[in-house]
Amino acid sequence: KAGVTQTPRYLIKTRGQQVTLSCSPISGHRSVSWYQQTPGQGLQFLFEYFSETQRNKGNFPGRFSGRQFSNSRSEMNVSTLELGDSALYLCASSQIRTGGASTEAFFGQGTRLTVV
Amino acid sequence: QKEVEQNSGPLSVPEGAIASLNCTYSDRGSQSFFWYRQYSGKSPELIMFIYSNGDKEDGRFTAQLNKASQYVSLLIRDSQPSDSATYLCAVTPPGANSKLTFGKGITLSVRP
Repeated sequence: KAGVTQTPRYLIKTRGQQVTLSCSPISGHRSVSWYQQTPGQGLQFLFEYFSETQRNKGNFPGRFSGRQFSNSRSEMNVSTLELGDSALYLCASSQIRTGGASTEAFFGQGTRLTVV
Repeated sequence: QKEVEQNSGPLSVPEGAIASLNCTYSDRGSQSFFWYRQYSGKSPELIMFIYSNGDKEDGRFTAQLNKASQYVSLLIRDSQPSDSATYLCAVTPPGANSKLTFGKGITLSVRP
């Protein structure tokens, strides 16, 4: 069974540009969450999508957005990039139990974004 | 106030010893508890999860949860050099069971 797939693995962007990252969840997993990992702040939750709807959101500015498609694949977008957005962006997928609760989350390999 | 706290590391143990990793959380209503392992340059890998008070064992790993004390731990028996990694504790808050809140992690080094 294939794991969570994130593309691209590495990105270099210039301040002010925008970027789109992609995530394909494990087959059968319908919840996709995004996290940012930096040395200073650690792993921080960005948002979660289920059934093409944002279900939970972390404390990030509106420059960070996402969406989910009908096949559960998800994208996240960061507009007007800042140097501080340089980070490892991780996607995690999980199944949904009856009642809507998520099961354990499995992470993809991440996208390393460098903003110069 | 930090929501999830882990011992400041690094932690070094000899091969074959028991490594004990600890984590406390601030939200008494937290529902689910996870331990992830992250090797340098890699993504987090789920190694244990626990939902109820008590112990849960899986091979050389044991997770322990004490909700009254808001404490979750991970024991690694017969530690191996391949266990050397950063271990991340994560909890889900009430009402948002897909939103993982992580501790900063503790780096474990197993000496051959």
